[in-house]
Amino acid sequence: DAKTTQPPSMDCAEGRAANLPCNHSTISGNEYVYWYRQIHSQGPQYIIHGLKNNETNEMASLIITEDRKSSTLILPHATLRDTAVYYCIVRVEWIYNQGGKLIFGQGTELSVKP
Amino acid sequence: DVKVTQSSRYLVKRTGEKVFLECVQDMDHENMFWYRQDPGLGLRLIYFSYDVKMKEKGDIPEGYSVSREKKERFSLILESASTNQTSMYLCATDTGYTFGSGTRLTVV
Repeated sequence: DAKTTQPPSMDCAEGRAANLPCNHSTISGNEYVYWYRQIHSQGPQYIIHGLKNNETNEMASLIITEDRKSSTLILPHATLRDTAVYYCIVRVEWIYNQGGKLIFGQGTELSVKP
Repeated sequence: DVKVTQSSRYLVKRTGEKVFLECVQDMDHENMFWYRQDPGLGLRLIYFSYDVKMKEKGDIPEGYSVSREKKERFSLILESASTNQTSMYLCATDTGYTFGSGTRLTVV
């Protein structure tokens, strides 16, 4: 199973872009990179995922390097409500190839400050 | 949007009790998962199910069992609760892995 490495914490000023890095140097060719966040005492919330191309949705952008060994989640205009723990996860294909187990690391605690 | 509902947000049980944690999804997802989350350990997979009456052990199945009698419902059972099972329990479903709000279980 590929492992991910993230900085334990980051600060960001409200209104500025938050760039959260993730290393996944042992990722396999068919594994996706998923990002989730978890606000205190709630279940994780899906943000975005990608395989090799950059992706964007209403919440965030995902930039994956060409060698796929690292990625960056970008929150373009961070707000106080974006304060949360952000998890970068590599999706492992399960033996029945129906979905896949998610291996959560420790994540990055993002603090958005006024 | 897929909704995953866990029956209780907070639960306090006594050591030795049999505990049932319920999870219900409102979409036709085949895969459902039970995780527990502990400080410093992240999320760990307990069990998952890929179809009705089918189940597979995750990384930490000891002390737990599961039941999937209907596609929309996946139950986690603590046969005899112990204090080291005090944790946040999270249910999730396939396709983007929508999570429930979690059940914070305290065993005293």
